[in-house]
Amino acid sequence: RKEVEQDPGPFNVPEGATVAFNCTYSNSASQSFFWYRQDCRKEPKLLMSVYSSGNEDGRFTAQLNRASQYISLLIRDSKLSDSATYLCVVVGWGGNKLTFGTGTQLKVEL
Amino acid sequence: NAGVMQNPRHLVRRRGQEARLRCSPMKGHSHVYWYRQLPEEGLKFMVYLQKENIIDESGMPKERFSAEFPKEGPSILRIQQVVRGDSAAYFCASSPITGDNQPQHFGDGTRLSIL
Repeated sequence: RKEVEQDPGPFNVPEGATVAFNCTYSNSASQSFFWYRQDCRKEPKLLMSVYSSGNEDGRFTAQLNRASQYISLLIRDSKLSDSATYLCVVVGWGGNKLTFGTGTQLKVEL
Repeated sequence: NAGVMQNPRHLVRRRGQEARLRCSPMKGHSHVYWYRQLPEEGLKFMVYLQKENIIDESGMPKERFSAEFPKEGPSILRIQQVVRGDSAAYFCASSPITGDNQPQHFGDGTRLSIL
């Protein structure tokens, strides 16, 4: 079983749609969680941290369920510029190496 | 405020040559991480360094690969006697400290192509 699993997609959605991505992780001792975004295999860019209490940043909402070892990302009112690969990232105890999922590809269309 | 700087952006080597990839962390960051992204795959951790120390090299291949972060100058990822399978994007990231919820910031990467 992979340490971090994501549906690779692609998710093709129309502009303005709401789309949700899920991610599961295998190590129950994981401490920190993030969503990164990667465009066309450029450098990953931090989108947001993920907390058990949930956090929201504009059109983006992230949620962590430690009991189920599950992380989600919700994007509301999708824009063309949201088209990218979304990477679920988990950090183990000690907070050094990032473990990446293989990413979920989103394509927002007119 | 410059971000993480990597060079070169693209590097072409023939099989058997050496490749040197450089990374300068963000100002104020003392922790450097190297990741590799093979074609059609996700990013994989290679090594974590602080100044003059290798902290975690659990992701480094056992042979031909080495990394350093000297007291002065950038971090260097060195690949000796390169093979076709080394072709990948190599990303460097930095952070100010480790610990919970300290995100890492990535450089633009070095795309290594082996002929």
